[in-house]
Amino acid sequence: DAGVTQSPTHLIKTRGQHVTLRCSPISGHKSVSWYQQVLGQGPQFIFQYYEKEERGRGNFPDRFSARQFPNYSSELNVNALLLGDSALYLCASSLAYRGSLGNTEAFFGQGTRLTVV
Amino acid sequence: ELKVEQNPLFLSMQEGKNYTIYCNYSTTSDRLYWYRQDPGKSLESLFVLLSNGAVKQEGRLMASLDTKARLSTLHITAAVHDLSATYFCAVRYRYNNNDMRFGAGTRLTVKP
Repeated sequence: DAGVTQSPTHLIKTRGQHVTLRCSPISGHKSVSWYQQVLGQGPQFIFQYYEKEERGRGNFPDRFSARQFPNYSSELNVNALLLGDSALYLCASSLAYRGSLGNTEAFFGQGTRLTVV
Repeated sequence: ELKVEQNPLFLSMQEGKNYTIYCNYSTTSDRLYWYRQDPGKSLESLFVLLSNGAVKQEGRLMASLDTKARLSTLHITAAVHDLSATYFCAVRYRYNNNDMRFGAGTRLTVKP
């Protein structure tokens, strides 16, 4: 089975531009989350979607938005890029967003490395 | 707001030595995770700890959880070079599987 897949793997953008990052969850997983990992730091939670609805939001500005599609894939959009948005963007999926032992674990994709110049 | 603190942030060890990484968190949670990250790579799940007193071991790594103290430890036994990586602990926030709050990470270097 394919794991969580993200595209593109690397991206270079100019300040002020817009970017769209994509994530396909593991087959059967309905919950997707996005994390930002700046170099040398731990991942920071951005958004979580389940059944196409936003279920959680971290402390990020409105320039960041996301959505989930009927096939449970997801997009993360960032407008008006800043140099500080340069980071590894990770997508994670799990079966459900709450629950017991069987579906607690989230699996991460390989990430999209975004560089803003 | 949930805060997760790891220490040390940097750890340089000799092969064959033992050491412990500590993870403290500020509010109640029912799940604690340990991940490994190699440079330029994604996160690899190591352990999921679900209850007070939980202990899990895989090879030279052993993780434990004390929910009353809000403390988890990752113990390294007889370190080998292949363990060199950054280790993160993460705590599930508000019972949401996909909302995890991470520590800053411990960058481990194991020297021959």
